[in-house]
Amino acid sequence: DSGVTQTPKHLITATGQRVTLRCSPRSGDLSVYWYQQSLDQGLQFLIQYYNGEERAKGNILERFSAQQFPDLHSELNLSSLELGDSALYFCASAVGPRGSPLHFGNGTRLTVT
Amino acid sequence: AQKITQTQPGMFVQEKEAVTLDCTYDTSDPSYGLFWYKQPSSGEMIFLIYQGSYDQQNATEGRYSLNFQKARKSANLVISASQLGDSAMYFCAINAGNMLTFGGGTRLMVKP
Repeated sequence: DSGVTQTPKHLITATGQRVTLRCSPRSGDLSVYWYQQSLDQGLQFLIQYYNGEERAKGNILERFSAQQFPDLHSELNLSSLELGDSALYFCASAVGPRGSPLHFGNGTRLTVT
Repeated sequence: AQKITQTQPGMFVQEKEAVTLDCTYDTSDPSYGLFWYKQPSSGEMIFLIYQGSYDQQNATEGRYSLNFQKARKSANLVISASQLGDSAMYFCAINAGNMLTFGGGTRLMVKP
């Protein structure tokens, strides 16, 4: 058990809808990362937060947004969902803003129908 | 920008034998970290081993060791005494700057 908690584990929704994925980092970790894993794109970095502030942005679509709250949990919001957004979404946490190992949650499997 | 290349999409190894999974990287950042993760069929990402760019010795964690050759920009993972439970996808990753960039992965299959 990595100590990173992601909810829900599975999510099935229709195109055009909006969903929120939730992540609680390991105790003591200040950094939260979001990754998308799809069959054709592999593991893609979306965004990183450190202690409530956005630190780095990857290939995150404008329809997606995220935030990290004062209690350090994070939410990833996906809107106007398309079939191609179906993927496994991982949250990972780390102690520092860079260099330390990332510990991953079990992921949220999103299916858009 | 950084890049990770894993050239072996799939590999077989006999149980109890050692296996090397290849990883090459490219970065312009003088300070970076190299990581290996295991993803079994259940989907979770399990951290295995870490090597810092300034570390003089190769990292070792149990049956896992990282063969770090800085001049060649390679960071191969060696798994000794393979077990059936080692069957999984293995990802190499580099952390230079604020993001962790992953390679495409290698699927390892351990034969009994």
